Amino acid sequence: AQSVTQLDSQVPVFEEAPVELRCNYSSSVSVYLFWYVQYPNQGLQLLLKYLSGSTLVKGINGFEAEFNKSQTSFHLRKPSVHISDTAEYFCAVSDLRNTDKLIFGTGTRLQVFP
Amino acid sequence: SQTIHQWPATLVQPVGSPLSLECTVEGTSNPNLYWYRQAAGRGLQLLFYSVGIGQISSEVPQNLSASRPQDRQFILSSKKLLLSDSGFYLCAWSGGAMNTEAFFGQGTRLTVV
Repeated sequence: AQSVTQLDSQVPVFEEAPVELRCNYSSSVSVYLFWYVQYPNQGLQLLLKYLSGSTLVKGINGFEAEFNKSQTSFHLRKPSVHISDTAEYFCAVSDLRNTDKLIFGTGTRLQVFP
Repeated sequence: SQTIHQWPATLVQPVGSPLSLECTVEGTSNPNLYWYRQAAGRGLQLLFYSVGIGQISSEVPQNLSASRPQDRQFILSSKKLLLSDSGFYLCAWSGGAMNTEAFFGQGTRLTVV
């Protein structure tokens, strides 16, 4: 079975600073990887996804993530954050043998301060 | 275009009362459907998923059940709510197979008192 670990429950950062949100996964087979964002009291919205090909994936709102197979990681980065990036971020994995479901990590709360 | 509707947005129910949350999807056929619960400090937990009418997979033993009476309708139920059932419930759909991006509803905030 797959599992997803988000090492940081909260990440505080000042506006215009860079940020990295960490995600590690565990799976015995190849996977698809996703990052979702959740604004307060709303559903989740897809930021970006890795299915195959280039390991550097660019998403919406200036975010990008890099798939590292040897380290089983899929860290999310943004070179300069805005106040509006304050939200909860979830990493998720889908098993290529069983693409019927997504398994999510516990989330990272990104708090951007002025 | 596809849309997902989830209701109600908020719900306050007494302990021991029944529960029914409904989710419907428009603009697609034979979607995979999911119920997630988000409890404070516990992230997003998959409760149930369904790949077709009448096909329900339960991920976590609990006080809840799910049903899929129609292709694009997914219902989360309980006969008797517990305090621990409080949380934020999210319905989602995906195309399945190679298209596993999930699309989420706006969620239901359930408070059991």
